[in-house]
Amino acid sequence: AQTVTQSQPEMSVQEAETVTLSCTYDTSENNYYLFWYKQPPSRQMILVIRQEAYKQQNATENRFSVNFQKAAKSFSLKISDSQLGDTAMYFCAFMKGGSNYKLTFGKGTLLTVNP
Amino acid sequence: DAGVIQSPRHEVTEMGQEVTLRCKPISGHNSLFWYRQTMMRGLELLIYFNNNVPIDDSGMPEDRFSAKMPNASFSTLKIQPSEPRDSAVYFCASSFEKRIDTQYFGPGTRLTVL
Repeated sequence: AQTVTQSQPEMSVQEAETVTLSCTYDTSENNYYLFWYKQPPSRQMILVIRQEAYKQQNATENRFSVNFQKAAKSFSLKISDSQLGDTAMYFCAFMKGGSNYKLTFGKGTLLTVNP
Repeated sequence: DAGVIQSPRHEVTEMGQEVTLRCKPISGHNSLFWYRQTMMRGLELLIYFNNNVPIDDSGMPEDRFSAKMPNASFSTLKIQPSEPRDSAVYFCASSFEKRIDTQYFGPGTRLTVL
């Protein structure tokens, strides 16, 4: 079974600064996907970024980028130029490739952006 | 475009009552997922459907839980009888066949069982 670990229950950052959220996972699969979801106080789960394991290039979406280290089974999220609206719970998630589309989530990291 | 729609947004009920949660996936999406979020267990998949057919229900906690998808635009998750430990936020998500790995979540239903 796959597991996803987020070792930082809470983090804070000053507005406009950069912050990195950590995620490690455990799997014996070679084909899989990794995701970061954001859950603001509104409770809505919002997809931030996705990464295919077969791609060596790290995914980037505007101010959000990942550092994908396949050998180390690490998938960290970097948020640049943090904004107050980035305050939310961030969940790292894993999906095995193939025909099973189950998402396995980490416990989440609560990020607070301070003015 | 309308996203995934869930109703009700909040439900408060008493132990032993039947609860029905509803979901309308994004039009054109053919996979639908039900998740439960609790403080203790985090987010966990309960069941998912592909083309209205249940594919994996291994996450359904027990027989008190049942899910149906009678057509491509509607799904229900039913709990009968409900118990206080069922209190959680229940999310529905959907995905498109050509990008089935990317799931779009609804706003969730917060269920409180007294």
